[in-house]
Amino acid sequence: QSALTQPASVSGSPGQSITISCTGTSRDIGTSNLVSWYQQHPAMAPRLVISEVYKRPSGISNRFSGSKSGNTASLTISGLQAEDEADYYCCSFANGYILPFGGGTRLTVL
Amino acid sequence: QVQLQESGPGLVKPSETLSLTCAVSGFSIDKGFYWGWIRQPPGKGLEWMGGIHGSGNAHYNPSLKSRLTMSVDTSQNQFSLRLNSVTAADTAVYFCARVPHTEDTSGLFLYHMDVWGQGTTVTVSS
Repeated sequence: QSALTQPASVSGSPGQSITISCTGTSRDIGTSNLVSWYQQHPAMAPRLVISEVYKRPSGISNRFSGSKSGNTASLTISGLQAEDEADYYCCSFANGYILPFGGGTRLTVL
Repeated sequence: QVQLQESGPGLVKPSETLSLTCAVSGFSIDKGFYWGWIRQPPGKGLEWMGGIHGSGNAHYNPSLKSRLTMSVDTSQNQFSLRLNSVTAADTAVYFCARVPHTEDTSGLFLYHMDVWGQGTTVTVSS
């Protein structure tokens, strides 16, 4: 059982926007601005797409955005493209110097 | 350009010790970052195993702490993982990653994994 809770799957059509939620507790997301999101295509290593709740690393499209409210963080992808189809994982710094992940969300572009 | 490359045996017998190394290029391992290990069982999600600073200070996932040891070799610019008493549940793709951090009087804060290795598959089987 993952420490952070994500929906198993989301889907959207090209051009639409989708949002993936990530729910934690006051021991992680609720008290940390160190929330990150990772994109993982099949048989590939994960790639950082959002750090520190909302920051985009160099080279990441501005179609990717992040936010947080209380114990829940969210990743929004706007203007969906076929290449966005992947698994997405949230992660948050937590008490005990650990970085638990969410269970992952499979994004399907219809 | 920072690159990480995992290496180690692809097959380990149950009850034995899994040993992996992550070679870092394009960046000095003792330049103030943590270095982490993350694994992914087949068809499942990511699991944070632990991280180690270039100075050798390590923090482990409590679920693995009794079996896990990490180390750093600054002369070879690499860091390593040893997981003992393995079972089939330890079968996974193992990734290494760079972990930015800050540490002050408030404590240690691990930020995220900004550079990843490609991963190496380890199967535990007799």
